Amino acid sequence: DAGITQSPRHKVTETGTPVTLRCHQTENHRYMYWYRQDPGHGLRLIHYSYGVKDTDKGEVSDGYSVSRSKTEDFLLTLESATSSQTSVYFCATGDRVNTEAFFGQGTRLTVV
Amino acid sequence: QQPVQSPQAVILREGEDAVINCSSSKALYSVHWYRQKHGEAPVFLMILLKGGEQKGHDKISASFNEKKQQSSLYLTASQLSYSGTYFCGTEYSGGYQKVTFGTGTKLQVIP
Repeated sequence: DAGITQSPRHKVTETGTPVTLRCHQTENHRYMYWYRQDPGHGLRLIHYSYGVKDTDKGEVSDGYSVSRSKTEDFLLTLESATSSQTSVYFCATGDRVNTEAFFGQGTRLTVV
Repeated sequence: QQPVQSPQAVILREGEDAVINCSSSKALYSVHWYRQKHGEAPVFLMILLKGGEQKGHDKISASFNEKKQQSSLYLTASQLSYSGTYFCGTEYSGGYQKVTFGTGTKLQVIP
C-alpha cells in the first residue's frame, strides 16, 4: 500500500474558525489531490498539485486553499469553516499520468 | 462536469452479472474505475484510454466507447466481496491526471 497519511482523522470545529488538514506521503509521487465526499455527490475535486508549489483549482475550490512546499506534504486549509464544509476529505496521490491514484484513509470534518 | 453513472444502486445475488455505465457530455481522454467499501478509501480497479480498448481484471472488465463518450464496467459471476460503491472518473485532457468522479453506483451482493 502507498504510504499516505492524513491528519487528523477526525475533527470537530466551530463555524468561522480556520482549519488545516494535512496529507503526508512517503511515495515521492508527483501528483497530489484533495477530494471531498458527500452523500449524493460522490468524490469532488477541491484542489490538486502537479509538483512542489504547483497547484490548481478543482471543481469545488471556493473557501479552500492549499499549499505544497515539499513533495511529501499537501495541506488543505479551510479559511473560515462553514457548516457546508462538513464532509469526509480524502487525499490522493499519483505517480504518473494515466496511472492509478492512491487514496488516504480520509478525514471526517464536522463544522458546528 | 461530473460524469453520469447508472444505475445509482443495484442488488445482486451471488453469481449474477451486473453492468455499471458511465457517460459524459464532453469528449473523454480516459476513464478510471474505483471501488469503495463502506468506511474505507476508494481502491483503483482500472484505467481505460481513448481508443475503445477493453480491459479486464479477474471477473471485472470494462469497455470505453470514445465516440459515445461512455464506459461500462462489467461484473460477472458476482461475489460477496464485490459489494461497495463503484465510481467512474473521467479525464477530459491528458497531462495532469485531473480526474472528475461521478456520484457512484452502490452495489450490494447478497447470498
